[in-house]
Amino acid sequence: DIQMTQSPSSLSASIGDRVTITCRASQDISNFLNWFQLKPGKAPKLLIYHTSNLETGVPSRFGGSRSGTDFTFTISSLQPEDFATYYCLQYEKVPYTLGQGTRLEI
Amino acid sequence: EIQMVESGGGSVQPGTSLRLSCTASGFRFSDHAVSWFRQAPGKGLEWVGFIRTTNEGEGRDYAASVKGRFTISRDYSKNIAYLQMDSLKIEDTAVYYCTREGVPGFEFDYWGQGTLVTVSS
Repeated sequence: DIQMTQSPSSLSASIGDRVTITCRASQDISNFLNWFQLKPGKAPKLLIYHTSNLETGVPSRFGGSRSGTDFTFTISSLQPEDFATYYCLQYEKVPYTLGQGTRLEI
Repeated sequence: EIQMVESGGGSVQPGTSLRLSCTASGFRFSDHAVSWFRQAPGKGLEWVGFIRTTNEGEGRDYAASVKGRFTISRDYSKNIAYLQMDSLKIEDTAVYYCTREGVPGFEFDYWGQGTLVTVSS
């Protein structure tokens, strides 16, 4: 199975901060990686698909990039509604696997 | 409006069965695979399994943790995907989500709010 190592597991930040979360894949997954936001009681929300593509309707402060098997998710300027948990998902190979999650706190 | 709505969750005892439904609307259901995910209390998201489309032979695959106990099926006439869960264990307690995938650019883009399954004696 492909292991997705996500870091950090939690992060404290302030409004306006730039935040970076990384996921490292244990093998090549090409660009088959998405980033999601989870809030309690709500449906998971797709933010970035295929490594770096912004989902329709998602603010441009969210972004994604790749260097080899290292994937980076960035929020350029934190807003109050961004405090949530974030996950990466690889879907290059079955079983699909996710990072452990990053809890973003104020 | 595209929607994925999960239903069928509840509280059951270990060793019993439960069937979840994922009702899709607002898009051509037959074009998309459907994946199920879950999140146990205090844990991260976990992929459970998927079912492909008819054109893809309705191939299925499952996470090792549920293989042999869970079965995914789909009814094209009702636009529903099912997750049949047998021999339930306490560790299957989770919120279960469904999402569509399989079409490049439209993968894992719509999710339901989930349905809670509690397995407890």
